[in-house]
Amino acid sequence: SQELEQSPQSLIVQEGKNLTINCTSSKTLYGLYWYKQKYGEGLIFLMMLQKGGEEKSHEKITAKLDEKKQQSSLHITASQPSHAGIYLCGADGSGNTGKLIFGQGTTLQVKP
Amino acid sequence: SQTIHQWPATLVQPVGSPLSLECTVEGTSNPNLYWYRQAAGRGLQLLFYSVGIGQISSEVPQNLSASRPQDRQFILSSKKLLLSDSGFYLCAWSRTGTGNTIYFGEGSWLTVV
Repeated sequence: SQELEQSPQSLIVQEGKNLTINCTSSKTLYGLYWYKQKYGEGLIFLMMLQKGGEEKSHEKITAKLDEKKQQSSLHITASQPSHAGIYLCGADGSGNTGKLIFGQGTTLQVKP
Repeated sequence: SQTIHQWPATLVQPVGSPLSLECTVEGTSNPNLYWYRQAAGRGLQLLFYSVGIGQISSEVPQNLSASRPQDRQFILSSKKLLLSDSGFYLCAWSRTGTGNTIYFGEGSWLTVV
């Protein structure tokens, strides 16, 4: 079965610094989703990537999917306290069935 | 616009008692519906998946069951709760078909004591 591994597991950065979170799959990704979660709350959809080499941006967050479609990165530029939370990558574990499996998550703290 | 609601938000139940968590989606028809559980240290795990009324796919063997009595209503149940059922339960939906974004509800905290 497909597994998603995120790194790092946790991250503490100073406000204003850039950071990158990685998500690696054991199999080809048919769709890679990034979500953000505040502890004890629902997941907020950030971006979805489907094509090899695809890159999307929203405000100061950029997500990329590599050409082989087995690794994705989430990059935050000039981090702010509002970026703090848990970032989760999700992917269709069964090959375009709509049922997502998720990585373990990366906890981000931003120090003001 | 589409919205998803689940309730109750927080629940404390004794071992052996029944459970019912409800989820409804508004603003769309024939959605795919999901129940996920997020337990400490175990990430987000898909429990049930439904593509239509009465059509439920169970992803992992467990003490829980799901039902979809109406198009936009998804219910998570248990006849007798176990301590291991404690966790954060999330309902989610996506448009019918595949390759569509999945949107999550606010979540329900279940503590079994």
